[in-house]
Amino acid sequence: QQQVKQSPQSLIVQKGGISIINCAYENTAFDYFPWYQQFPGKGPALLIAIRPDVSEKKEGRFTISFNKSAKQFSLHIMDSQPGDSATYFCAAISGLASSGNKLTFGGGTRVLVKP
Amino acid sequence: DGGITQSPKYLFRKEGQNVTLSCEQNLNHDAMYWYRQDPGQGLRLIYYSQIVNDFQKGDIAEGYSVSREKKESFPLTVTSAQKNPTAFYLCASSIRGMGEAFFGQGTRLTVV
Repeated sequence: QQQVKQSPQSLIVQKGGISIINCAYENTAFDYFPWYQQFPGKGPALLIAIRPDVSEKKEGRFTISFNKSAKQFSLHIMDSQPGDSATYFCAAISGLASSGNKLTFGGGTRVLVKP
Repeated sequence: DGGITQSPKYLFRKEGQNVTLSCEQNLNHDAMYWYRQDPGQGLRLIYYSQIVNDFQKGDIAEGYSVSREKKESFPLTVTSAQKNPTAFYLCASSIRGMGEAFFGQGTRLTVV
């Protein structure tokens, strides 16, 4: 039972292009949606996060778009650079103690930016 | 420097052995997590703990055990009951109920 579904599994983008990764969730108790970036052999690192009362959040070249009614959110990487080549994970968590407070991850998207 | 330290970085286990992976944090976080990552796969939750002396099973707890005797430490034991333990293990911590988890650098476990 996968509570957070992520797509695509992989994508290739040319330098300067836009990378788009989509996630969908089922649990309406989720109230915080972080994105993580992972380089090979390393632990994931928090990239950007959003709460459902905001429809969009931008930090540098990274933007999260959030659609609460559709229970979907996406990460856009603008002006993609070879250094952005990594695996990206969306995640979700509920602050409610009854939900167990556990961080649930999507399956990941491997992004390759070609020079 | 504050952070999460996992040790060892590489670990080799013989068939039938139990091994313990260490995870220590000095971020004063209440919540700690263990994830397993297989090549090209996502993160699967093994165990998590919200407070000292309490922990819950994640999605793939069979063959693993944990303890949380101190706030700073959340060791994971991979028992002989885990039939396919070769994987990359990641420990994380966060403020309880928050999604801003900080990860360690992982332990790569290989069965020889």
